[in-house]
Amino acid sequence: AQSVAQPEDQVNVAEGNPLTVKCTYSVSGNPYLFWYVQYPNRGLQFLLKYITGDNLVKGSYGFEAEFNKSQTSFHLKKPSALVSDSALYFCAVRAADSSYKLIFGSGTRLLVRP
Amino acid sequence: EPEVTQTPSHQVTQMGQEVILRCVPISNHLYFYWYRQILGQKVEFLVSFYNNEISEKSEIFDDQFSVERPDGSNFTLKIRSTKLEDSAMYFCASRGRQGTEAFFGQGTRLTVV
Repeated sequence: AQSVAQPEDQVNVAEGNPLTVKCTYSVSGNPYLFWYVQYPNRGLQFLLKYITGDNLVKGSYGFEAEFNKSQTSFHLKKPSALVSDSALYFCAVRAADSSYKLIFGSGTRLLVRP
Repeated sequence: EPEVTQTPSHQVTQMGQEVILRCVPISNHLYFYWYRQILGQKVEFLVSFYNNEISEKSEIFDDQFSVERPDGSNFTLKIRSTKLEDSAMYFCASRGRQGTEAFFGQGTRLTVV
């Protein structure tokens, strides 16, 4: 069965510091991996994806994520956090050769303090 | 930038009533989805729809739920007889043929009282 784990309910960082939001996954076959962000009272906004190719993928708003096949991880990173990055972040996965539904993690709340 | 739009943004209904949640997917997209997020919980897949039929549904999507694409632009989710536990944020999403990421609407918050 496919699953996604986001081990941290909340991540706190100071503005200007690097941030990492962790995600590990379990899927049979090659994974398609995604990060979405949810601001208060808003929908899910696509940030970035990994399908194939370079393990480091770059996305919107300066975010990037590193795919690590051996550790089955897809951690979200940003070199320098902004207060406006404070939001709820969801990692999601689907198997490349199966259905198109996404399996979401439980979400990680990122709080960037000034 | 094209976006998925959902109406209404918030709906309050009495238990046992029927509700229809509406979505306008991105115009050239072919795959359509409904997800829901109960307050404080994960985003959960409900159903996927392609070529005018359901391609997959979760165990949540029982006989009380149905989806329809009545006019080639709208994509609706109907809950026939709402229960208290149907209270959640419902997200519509769409995906293009070549793209692999789904784009989500802003959600409809359904409150069953």
